[in-house]
Amino acid sequence: DTGVSQDPRHKITKRGQNVTFRCDPISEHNRLYWYRQTLGQGPEFLTYFQNEAQLEKSRLLSDRFSAERPKGSFSTLEIQRTEQGDSAMYLCASPTSGAYNEQFFGPGTRLTVL
Amino acid sequence: AQSVTQLGSHVSVSEGALVLLRCNYSSSVPPYLFWYVQYPNQGLQLLLKYTTGATLVKGINGFEAEFKKSETSFHLTKPSAHMSDAAEYFCAVRLIQTGANNLFFGTGTRLTVIP
Repeated sequence: DTGVSQDPRHKITKRGQNVTFRCDPISEHNRLYWYRQTLGQGPEFLTYFQNEAQLEKSRLLSDRFSAERPKGSFSTLEIQRTEQGDSAMYLCASPTSGAYNEQFFGPGTRLTVL
Repeated sequence: AQSVTQLGSHVSVSEGALVLLRCNYSSSVPPYLFWYVQYPNQGLQLLLKYTTGATLVKGINGFEAEFKKSETSFHLTKPSAHMSDAAEYFCAVRLIQTGANNLFFGTGTRLTVIP
């Protein structure tokens, strides 16, 4: 257990529906990252937060995706009008501070879009 | 641009044999280097990392890796494979001076251990 939790662990939805995932990072960590991992691939960076501010977004994050971290604690990732190509594992990472920071990953949310 | 190449998407070894998982990186400056392990339906667990200092890095579960700048490599080894080592392994890099400090991952190597 890394101390990072994600909910739900699995989500099955129909194409066109909206889904929302939650990540609870390690409480004293002020950065939070979202990654997406498709089958047979390594995780790919989506976006990250410093406290409540979303500081960078990958070009992978289309306008159907939105992420928030309203109080600088937990974060949500919402996908609107899901497509089959959105099927993936969505991972949250909570890094320690400092130059040599280590990213602690949550167990992930596996999304299946039918 | 930075990239990570893991040679061999699948590696099979016998229990007790040497494990060697290959990773090469491409970066204009030496990055920080990481190996992560992922068990089925779980997140990633850090095995070891190289930031500065000694180029031979020891990690958890008996794994180690050596940073070779001249070869731009960071191969992962373990002298004797155990059945519990069967998992997917990812090499990752992080540039020292980027705003996001995000990790760039290779495509992974699935390790099978044969009894």
